[in-house]
Amino acid sequence: GAGVSQSPRYKVAKRGQDVALRCDPISGHVSLFWYQQALGQGPEFLTYFQNEAQLDKSGLPSDRFFAERPEGSVSTLKIQRTQQEDSAVYLCASNQGQGQPQHFGDGTRLSIL
Amino acid sequence: QKEVEQDPGPLSVPEGAIVSLNCTYSNSAFQYFMWYRQYSRKGPELLMYTYSSGNKEDGRFTAQVDKSSKYISLFIRDSQPSDSATYLCAMSGAGGSYIPTFGRGTSLIVHP
Repeated sequence: GAGVSQSPRYKVAKRGQDVALRCDPISGHVSLFWYQQALGQGPEFLTYFQNEAQLDKSGLPSDRFFAERPEGSVSTLKIQRTQQEDSAVYLCASNQGQGQPQHFGDGTRLSIL
Repeated sequence: QKEVEQDPGPLSVPEGAIVSLNCTYSNSAFQYFMWYRQYSRKGPELLMYTYSSGNKEDGRFTAQVDKSSKYISLFIRDSQPSDSATYLCAMSGAGGSYIPTFGRGTSLIVHP
């Protein structure tokens, strides 16, 4: 498809496990963003890539969160030693560059038991 | 106080009504203003994208930006049950940052 693709759509993990969430942006989009969305809230910024460079990671809530985009296309958000408060929907978005509108994937719904 | 304030609703209207959704913000430096629609268990879908002040119309949707009042609106004409969703406002461009700041969303219910 032509849109942003995220996998898995749903992930259940036990507290303390590591998880990896994948984002496939729209082809040709240089910028990629990760957001966390709690129930009843708007998306909260986590981190931003321009091509393979991570330009802003100020929204990552702790050093357990790590993101990468090694070849400037697919990105992975990794959460180590998951905690219950990590339960949320993780959204990925991409755009063509600064000032351009973002296009979102349908998110990964993460539940930590 | 959050940078972007949005009433969570729910806002319930009959089919065919004109809907008005609003956001206020505190950072006068925002330059880009967006409205997204989000259905349950789906990602946000871009509806409107405007730069600076003024109005923009697209079909049944009209976006208004009043930078002097730090207030933005989305109007939906002839609302349909399929418009039932959460509507998120977002804005960016302050201090050279193009990372959007989102409101919490307003839940809209259009009943037949």
